[in-house]
Amino acid sequence: AQSVAQPEDQVNVAEGNPLTVKCTYSVSGNPYLFWYVQYPNRGLQFLLKYITGDNLVKGSYGFEAEFNKSQTSFHLKKPSALVSDSALYFCAVRRSASKIIFGSGTRLSIRP
Amino acid sequence: DGGITQSPKYLFRKEGQNVTLSCEQNLNHDAMYWYRQDPGQGLRLIYYSQIVNDFQKGDIAEGYSVSREKKESFPLTVTSAQKNPTAFYLCASTTGGGRDSNQPQHFGDGTRLSIL
Repeated sequence: AQSVAQPEDQVNVAEGNPLTVKCTYSVSGNPYLFWYVQYPNRGLQFLLKYITGDNLVKGSYGFEAEFNKSQTSFHLKKPSALVSDSALYFCAVRRSASKIIFGSGTRLSIRP
Repeated sequence: DGGITQSPKYLFRKEGQNVTLSCEQNLNHDAMYWYRQDPGQGLRLIYYSQIVNDFQKGDIAEGYSVSREKKESFPLTVTSAQKNPTAFYLCASTTGGGRDSNQPQHFGDGTRLSIL
């Protein structure tokens, strides 16, 4: 069965430090992987995607993600966290128009 | 600006009442979706539609209904059969499947539904 796991409900990081939000997936074939961010009482906003090619994908707001096929992971990273990065982050995998699976979300908290 | 508009932002339902949540997009997207978001549970798919006049049930369709009479519009009705409707409802759209499956979804800003 296809699935996406975000093993951490919450990640706490000090401002200026690097951050990582973890995501692992289980799908057959080649996955299309996405990261989204959600601020309170708002919809999800697209950050970045992996389709094929370079394993390091760069996205919006200085975020990047590393695709690792052998570990079936797609971790979100940022070299230097900002307080404004505090939000809820979702990993997702899409195989077709109908098959879009979201992880349960990770709450990122950046302390000043 | 292209985007997805959901209305109302907040909605209250009385016992035995049906309520309809609006979702309109001007992105010329073929596919539209409704999700339900509960705290700590991520997004669960209620219904989706890939073309006008066609839609399919998602994982939690019971107690909900939809229509897709126009490409731009995909309203969701929460019926009285949905016994626990309190949640944050998100509408999304994207280009079609097939070779466009690598495109991300665009989301509205949601409707928060509560029971009176």
